[in-house]
Amino acid sequence: AVQLVESGGGLVQPGKSLKLSCSASGFTFSSYGMHWIRQAPGKGLDWVAYISSSSGTVYADAVKERFTISRDNAKNTLYLQLNSLKSEDTAIYYCARSDWFAYWGQGTLVTVSS
Amino acid sequence: DVVMTQTPPSLSVAIGQSVSISCKSSQSLVYSDGKTYLHWLLQSSGRSPKRLIYQVSNLDSGVPDRFSGTGSQKDFTLKISRVEAKDLGVYYCAQTTHFPNTFGAGTKLELK
Repeated sequence: AVQLVESGGGLVQPGKSLKLSCSASGFTFSSYGMHWIRQAPGKGLDWVAYISSSSGTVYADAVKERFTISRDNAKNTLYLQLNSLKSEDTAIYYCARSDWFAYWGQGTLVTVSS
Repeated sequence: DVVMTQTPPSLSVAIGQSVSISCKSSQSLVYSDGKTYLHWLLQSSGRSPKRLIYQVSNLDSGVPDRFSGTGSQKDFTLKISRVEAKDLGVYYCAQTTHFPNTFGAGTKLELK
């Protein structure tokens, strides 16, 4: 069965960095694009970034120049490097498979606060 | 960016009642391949979102046929017939035709 497991969240101060991981199993990871989507506390879903199977990337304007999506197909793992974090980046971060959000992980909480 | 306008923001329903949720996009969601990439997801309390319907009207495996999706171009509807308690939560429409992908603000389905 398809499984996506996020990790790496935590409490971080404004301006600092964090790297999230999404470990994939149950499918041929290298064949699929992947998304990161976030959800601020009590709010709706907010698309963050996408990486294609060939590692082309697209970002939301709110995170462009600060976040970097990447992948390691040998490790079946998706990453999101978060730099220059702001309080408004506080959210649960989900990874999702590219076939129109068919599969989601359980999410990892990032809290940006001093 | 494509703005997805979902209405109503909340619905209070009795078990067995039928409901409809509207989702309107600011641009056509027809892609160059002729397909429309509009999907519906449900987020139950404390859980990750789960996709119910893809490409307007295709039910995901295991989703009961009480759920149906219709629409075209910029105007879409999710209908739930004979609501059950397990249907409660927040429903989102989502478009993957255009980047950035965008979501509606959600419709919270609650028990009356």
